[in-house]
Amino acid sequence: AQTVTQSQPEMSVQEAETVTLSCTYDTSESDYYLFWYKQPPSRQMILVIRQEAYKQQNATENRFSVNFQKAAKSFSLKISDSQLGDAAMYFCAYRSLSSGSEKLVFGKGTKLTVNP
Amino acid sequence: EAQVTQNPRYLITVTGKKLTVTCSQNMNHEYMSWYRQDPGLGLRQIYYSMNVEVTDKGDVPEGYKVSRKEKRNFPLILESPSPNQTSLYFCASTSGSRNEQFFGPGTRLTVL
Repeated sequence: AQTVTQSQPEMSVQEAETVTLSCTYDTSESDYYLFWYKQPPSRQMILVIRQEAYKQQNATENRFSVNFQKAAKSFSLKISDSQLGDAAMYFCAYRSLSSGSEKLVFGKGTKLTVNP
Repeated sequence: EAQVTQNPRYLITVTGKKLTVTCSQNMNHEYMSWYRQDPGLGLRQIYYSMNVEVTDKGDVPEGYKVSRKEKRNFPLILESPSPNQTSLYFCASTSGSRNEQFFGPGTRLTVL
């Protein structure tokens, strides 16, 4: 079974600085998606960024980028120029692309605090 | 507007009183799922459905039932709720390419 591990329960960053959130996963599959979701105090789950395993190029969305290391099964999220609105819980998630499966496995989350 | 709706948003009930949380999506998605979120545990999948009349267990299905009689609706049923089912519940539907999941706003359930 696939597992996702976020080793940092909490992180903090100064406004305008850069922070990296860690995520590792375990799978025997070769094709899958990885995601980072943001959950602000409103509790809404918001997709931040996604990475397809077959793509070697790291995904980027504005101030958010990932460092995808497939061999190491690592998928970290870098937030540049941190803003107060980035404060939230962040969840890393793995989606199997096996046929007959609709499985999305989440890590336990990292709470990010942004200090003014 | 593409969305997933859940009702109710908040519910306080007592042990053993059957309840249903409704979920509806307007994107014609085939895949839908239910998750529960508990502090320190992240989101865990309860049940999922890959199409009408096709459902399967996720990681924590005990104490829950689902049905998928129509493509747009995927209700979660607690036949006899217990306090350990107090949690935040999310319904979600998945795009056809499976590269994005749309979440409902969540249902905060308290079982006394």
